[in-house]
Amino acid sequence: EDQVTQSPEALRLQEGESSSLNCSYTVSGLRGLFWYRQDPGKGPEFLFTLYSAGEEKEKERLKATLTKKESFLHITAPKPEDSATYLCAVQSLTGGGNKLTFGTGTQLKVEL
Amino acid sequence: DGGITQSPKYLFRKEGQNVTLSCEQNLNHDAMYWYRQDPGQGLRLIYYSQIVNDFQKGDIAEGYSVSREKKESFPLTVTSAQKNPTAFYLCASSTNSYEQYFGPGTRLTVT
Repeated sequence: EDQVTQSPEALRLQEGESSSLNCSYTVSGLRGLFWYRQDPGKGPEFLFTLYSAGEEKEKERLKATLTKKESFLHITAPKPEDSATYLCAVQSLTGGGNKLTFGTGTQLKVEL
Repeated sequence: DGGITQSPKYLFRKEGQNVTLSCEQNLNHDAMYWYRQDPGQGLRLIYYSQIVNDFQKGDIAEGYSVSREKKESFPLTVTSAQKNPTAFYLCASSTNSYEQYFGPGTRLTVT
């Protein structure tokens, strides 16, 4: 059974204080690992897909990296508008219908 | 603008009533999905459809039903058999490039 564990559950940063969010996973053959951002009361917004260990993707202050067991979402010099819940999900090569298995998310708050 | 719409945003029902949640997409995506989100839990897959007139059960399909008569539409019915229907329901769609795009969600409250 595919599993995704995200840590920490919650993170409070000062503006400009860089940090990383962790996503550990077990999957029977990784097809892809996905990062989403979710604001309160809204649907998740797609950020990145990573397919193989060593891959990195960047978007503004965010950079996602992937190893064979975990992924990190690095946030450089965060701003208050980066406050949100960040979700990680995996898709298995053996899963039917492009099914995603989600973690419970990391709730990030960036303060002035 | 291309995207996924869900309606209504908030829905209130009495226990014992069936209720249908709407999901429409104009992204020309073949696959559509329904997830449920509860506090402290990851999104859980209810049903998915990869092609018109075909759909498959996800991990928590009991008490739910769907139809896929058009490529653009994938309505979800929450039946009275669903024991804990109060939740935030999310619809998503995708092409074969795997990433799923989500709608804004419907918050259902059953009392």
